[in-house]
Amino acid sequence: DSGVTQTPKHLITATGQRVTLRCSPRSGDLSVYWYQQSLDQGLQFLIQYYNGEERAKGNILERFSAQQFPDLHSELNLSSLELGDSALYFCASSARLAGTDTQYFGPGTRLTVL
Amino acid sequence: GQQLNQSPQSMFIQEGEDVSMNCTSSSIFNTWLWYKQDPGEGPVLLIALYKAGELTSNGRLTAQFGITRKDSFLNISASIPSDVGIYFCAGQLPSGTYKYIFGTGTRLKVLA
Repeated sequence: DSGVTQTPKHLITATGQRVTLRCSPRSGDLSVYWYQQSLDQGLQFLIQYYNGEERAKGNILERFSAQQFPDLHSELNLSSLELGDSALYFCASSARLAGTDTQYFGPGTRLTVL
Repeated sequence: GQQLNQSPQSMFIQEGEDVSMNCTSSSIFNTWLWYKQDPGEGPVLLIALYKAGELTSNGRLTAQFGITRKDSFLNISASIPSDVGIYFCAGQLPSGTYKYIFGTGTRLKVLA
């Protein structure tokens, strides 16, 4: 158990819909990262937050957005869903912004868009 | 998106054999991490490397941070069936960028 929690574990929805994925980082970690993993693919970095502020952006679509709240949990919002958005979405957390920084992953949310 | 070159892509080995895999890049990294991912699960951190030339072990696993800072290696000795899974490397770009770049993964299958 990495200490990072994600909910829900599974999500099935239809095209055009909007969903929210939630992540709680390890106790004391200030950075949260979101990744997308499509079937049999590697991990694609989406976005990073540190102590409530956006710090780095990867290949995140405009239809996707995220935020980190004062209690440090984070939400990833996916809207106008398309079939191709079906994937595993992982959240990771780390203690520091940069430097010798180790990321710990949550169990993921499997999103299926029908 | 940006990814590290990881090889081999997949490998079948006999139980008891040693395994080697590596990640290479044209970019320099500050930190290398190695993860193992089981199907449908999140990646689990195996080893973290923070300095060029560093050699670190975790049980039967040994990883090294390449001297050039552009590569890393993971070795698994005396493989067992539960070693099966996908192994990912991840490199953190130098200060000023905070994200990790992930390798394409090595899918390991162990034959009993």
